[in-house]
Formats: sequence, structure tokens, C-alpha cells
Amino acid sequence: AQSVAQPEDQVNVAEGNPLTVKCTYSVSGNPYLFWYVQYPNRGLQFLLKYITGDNLVKGSYGFEAEFNKSQTSFHLKKPSALVSDSALYFCATQWEDSNYQLIWGAGTKLIIKP
Amino acid sequence: ETGVTQSPTHLIKTRGQQVTLRCSSQSGHNTVSWYQQALGQGPQFIFQYYREEENGRGNFPPRFSGLQFPNYSSELNVNALELDDSALYLCASSFNAGGPETQYFGPGTRLLVL
Repeated sequence: AQSVAQPEDQVNVAEGNPLTVKCTYSVSGNPYLFWYVQYPNRGLQFLLKYITGDNLVKGSYGFEAEFNKSQTSFHLKKPSALVSDSALYFCATQWEDSNYQLIWGAGTKLIIKP
Repeated sequence: ETGVTQSPTHLIKTRGQQVTLRCSSQSGHNTVSWYQQALGQGPQFIFQYYREEENGRGNFPPRFSGLQFPNYSSELNVNALELDDSALYLCASSFNAGGPETQYFGPGTRLLVL
């Protein structure tokens, strides 16, 4: 079965420092991977995706993610964190055999301290 | 903003009642997916509609049903509400071109069942 794991419930980073939010996946077939962000009492906002091609994917708000096939990972990164980046981050995968429904990780709460 | 709208924003119902949630897709999109997000958890796929037909369903009982209209807007209906149905219900629209696609989310409807 397809699955996504986010091993950290919470990540704390000082403003201005680089941040990494981890995601690992288990899929059969081609992995289609996504990152979304959710602010309090809001819906999910798309950040970036990996479908095929370059392993380094750039997205919204200065975020990027690196697809690593050998480590089955798709970690989200940003070189310099902002307090406004504090939010809940979700990694997700789409599954070809289920009409591309999104299967989600449990989420990681990112806290950026001034 | 994504252009996906949902109504109402909040709703309070009592156990056993029925509820209808509505979603208006982003212009140009032909697919709507519905997700349930319980507090502190990742979203769970309920079902997807493509060209007015159900195109995939998650592990939800038949009392969760839906519709998609010719203008690609959608409804989620839940009968015989249970306390555990209290959650944020998210609608996502996308363009189905036969492969993985980005889903764009509305702000959600928060349902409280008492």
C-alpha cells in the first residue's frame, strides 16, 4: 500500500536559520509527491510537487524539496526561515491505481522563533 | 487564493441529523475531491467526482455521499451524523488529464456534531 511518513511531529527553528521538514514515502510504481502548508483555521495551500525530472524542485515562498529515490525521501527545505513560515506542513503522494487520490502524512508543525 | 470556495464555513449539528456541504471548483477544473480532516490529523480521502460520476472512494460508509453538477461544483452529504463526524471538511479541485495533477483546496467547512 502507498504511504507517506513524516517522522517529526514538530520542528523548531530560529528565524534566519535553514529549515528542513522530513518526509519519506513507500509507493509502488512512480512516486508523485507533494508538499502543502496549512495555516490555523485555513485550508491547504500547495507549495510544490515532484512528478518527474530534476530531483530538486522549487516552489512557493522560497521553499524547495529534494527527491531522493535511494532514500525514498522528499524533504522540504528553506535556506532562511521566517517567523511567518510557522504552520502545519503536510507531505502527500498520489497513487495511480486509485485515480490519483492524495494520501497524506500526519503533518509536521513548524515553529520559527524570532 | 485558489478560487475554490466552500460553504458554509462553520456548522453545528446534532447527532442523527443530515448535513450538506457545498464546493465551487476553480475555473477550468473538472474534478472535485473531498477530504475529512480530524483535529490534529492529516486529511483522509472521502471520494472524488469526475464528469459528474464518482471516480474513487476512500474508507467511508455509504452515509457519506456526493454529487457533482454540470458546472463542476459539488456537494457532500452526510446522513445520520455521528459525534466522530466532527471535523474540517475540505474540497479540492483539479483538472483530470489522465495523470497526476495538483489539487487546489478551498478553506474548508468546520462541522461540529453535538
